[in-house]
Amino acid sequence: GEQVEQLPSILRVQEGSSASINCTYENSASNYFPWYKQEPGENPKLIIDIRSNMERKQTQGLIVLLDKKAKRFSLHITDTQPGDSAMYFCAARGFSGSWQLIFGSGTQLTVMP
Amino acid sequence: DMKVTQMPRYLIKRMGENVLLECGQDMSHETMYWYRQDPGLGLQLIYISYDVDSNSEGDIPKGYRVSRKKREHFSLILDSAKTNQTSVYFCASSLGTANTGQLYFGEGSKLTVL
Repeated sequence: GEQVEQLPSILRVQEGSSASINCTYENSASNYFPWYKQEPGENPKLIIDIRSNMERKQTQGLIVLLDKKAKRFSLHITDTQPGDSAMYFCAARGFSGSWQLIFGSGTQLTVMP
Repeated sequence: DMKVTQMPRYLIKRMGENVLLECGQDMSHETMYWYRQDPGLGLQLIYISYDVDSNSEGDIPKGYRVSRKKREHFSLILDSAKTNQTSVYFCASSLGTANTGQLYFGEGSKLTVL
């Protein structure tokens, strides 16, 4: 089935700096790209999403960019804080037997004080 | 209150035993999902249910079956569990069937098969 590639798998940054996570997808018909944050022992929670009619979306220190030509989207966390430390998953709506959200393999972000 | 509830949260079974994981949601969402999460593999879709008795296989359905007899309830069944089914299982729900809406995840069920 289709896959979403997510890099890097591990990311360590200093508090106050920015962090960037990149994802690529395969299906040019994909039209929805959410990002989920998962803290240890908890469930994934939606933090921001972008649809294919947009190239950029920003909310509360999070920026998502979408490049449809390159089939690439990215999450940028500005002014990182220790509370941003978590696992982050990107996802893209794609077709794998049926239309579904296909998740990347995750990025473990650690913000060091 | 928008919530997806999974039971049990923790389960230890022996190889060959049957496993029942239950999931409920209070949002009247049409679509429900079962995922498993393993380190380095992200979230892999096992089954998707579009409504009562309308279920489709996901990416890794082998060894699993599901049951949805009420819109608010979706069960994952392992007949004769295997050690490689040790994992954390997440149930999720979403409004509609187009997969362009937010997924709400349950708290997860950690299954250990000995």
